[in-house]
Amino acid sequence: GDSVTQMEGPVTLSEEAFLTINCTYTATGYPSLFWYVQYPGEGLQLLLKATKADDKGSNKGFEATYRKETTSFHLEKGSVQVSDSAVYFCALTIIQGAQKLVFGQGTRLTINP
Amino acid sequence: DTEVTQTPKHLVMGMTNKKSLKCEQHMGHRAMYWYKQKAKKPPELMFVYSYEKLSINESVPSRFSPECPNSSLLNLHLHALQPEDSALYLCASSRLSGAYNEQFFGPGTRLTVL
Repeated sequence: GDSVTQMEGPVTLSEEAFLTINCTYTATGYPSLFWYVQYPGEGLQLLLKATKADDKGSNKGFEATYRKETTSFHLEKGSVQVSDSAVYFCALTIIQGAQKLVFGQGTRLTINP
Repeated sequence: DTEVTQTPKHLVMGMTNKKSLKCEQHMGHRAMYWYKQKAKKPPELMFVYSYEKLSINESVPSRFSPECPNSSLLNLHLHALQPEDSALYLCASSRLSGAYNEQFFGPGTRLTVL
């Protein structure tokens, strides 16, 4: 079935470091891909999305490119801040009667000053 | 208005209580969702409503009863819950139930069952 695999966390970095969180997927057809972020005690916020191969989603300095050949959607940021500390979820959509989001397990990111 | 609101923010209930969670959006979205999230886990889909009709029930126990009175409102009625039902309950909405449409999430209701 359709699934998403994220790199295991937790990930701890220093401020201004380069960030990569790996995400690969297995899907039949051509899903849309998403990164959601969850700050402590809050719901999920959409960070970025891509709906077809080679699309690049970007927001708040974060980027991810939909790579069909490697079935990947890795999240990157050039210089992280303490305020980026959160849990990041990679997800894809499938249609089974209605839209369903399939999430990865989440990666907890901590940025130290 | 690009917000999904949920009330209450926190709820503590006994196993014999009946309570309801409420979710509201005014973005004109026609698909609404309930998720359950346990600590350190991703959200798990419970129910999907499309055009106010229930289209997905992920084999959720009958002690959880969803209701969609109109296109802006989604309720989750709770009765005879178990302690293992304690979790963060998230509501989401999307423009339509299609693959391209992102879901917008509310802040959640943190439920504790004693």
